[in-house]
Amino acid sequence: AQSVTQLDSHVSVSEGTPVLLRCNYSSSYSPSLFWYVQHPNKGLQLLLKYTSAATLVKGINGFEAEFKKSETSFHLTKPSAHMSDAAEYFCVVSEPGSARQLTFGSGTQLTVLP
Amino acid sequence: DVKVTQSSRYLVKRTGEKVFLECVQDMDHENMFWYRQDPGLGLRLIYFSYDVKMKEKGDIPEGYSVSREKKERFSLILESASTNQTSMYLCASSLTGGQGAAAFGDGTRLSIL
Repeated sequence: AQSVTQLDSHVSVSEGTPVLLRCNYSSSYSPSLFWYVQHPNKGLQLLLKYTSAATLVKGINGFEAEFKKSETSFHLTKPSAHMSDAAEYFCVVSEPGSARQLTFGSGTQLTVLP
Repeated sequence: DVKVTQSSRYLVKRTGEKVFLECVQDMDHENMFWYRQDPGLGLRLIYFSYDVKMKEKGDIPEGYSVSREKKERFSLILESASTNQTSMYLCASSLTGGQGAAAFGDGTRLSIL
């Protein structure tokens, strides 16, 4: 069985400072991992994905994440936060052969202070 | 650009009504999903479908049914709407195999009065 733990329900940063959103996963197989962002009253938008290629994955809007198998982590980072980054972020794991496919973390609300 | 389109962004219905939420994707994806999203509860899977006319229950199927007559369309049906079904409903689709990321619609915010 697969599971995802987002270690922080809320993260607050100042504009221009680095962002770190933490995610740990559990999977019996070699999983695919994703980060999604959700702005208020919108659907989820894919930021980036890891599918067993390069362990450092670059996504949209300057975000990146590093897959660390030894630590079972997939933390999301951005060097410099922008006001428009304020949103909820979801870490998601997918196992091959899993019919229901996706397991979602509980989400991290990112606040960016001016 | 690839899209998942949900028929309504906002919907208000009355208790006891039969409610249909429609979702269409243009990516030729095999899998389609319905989730509901509530504060503090995250995203919960209601039903999913991995092929036309095939469906499986998710974590919270009670009070809901689904229909998938065509590959591109996946409908969620509230048989007799109740106030505890007031929620944000999200449709998603993906390719089979697990490595494809799911694409999401913009959601339907449903209020049952």
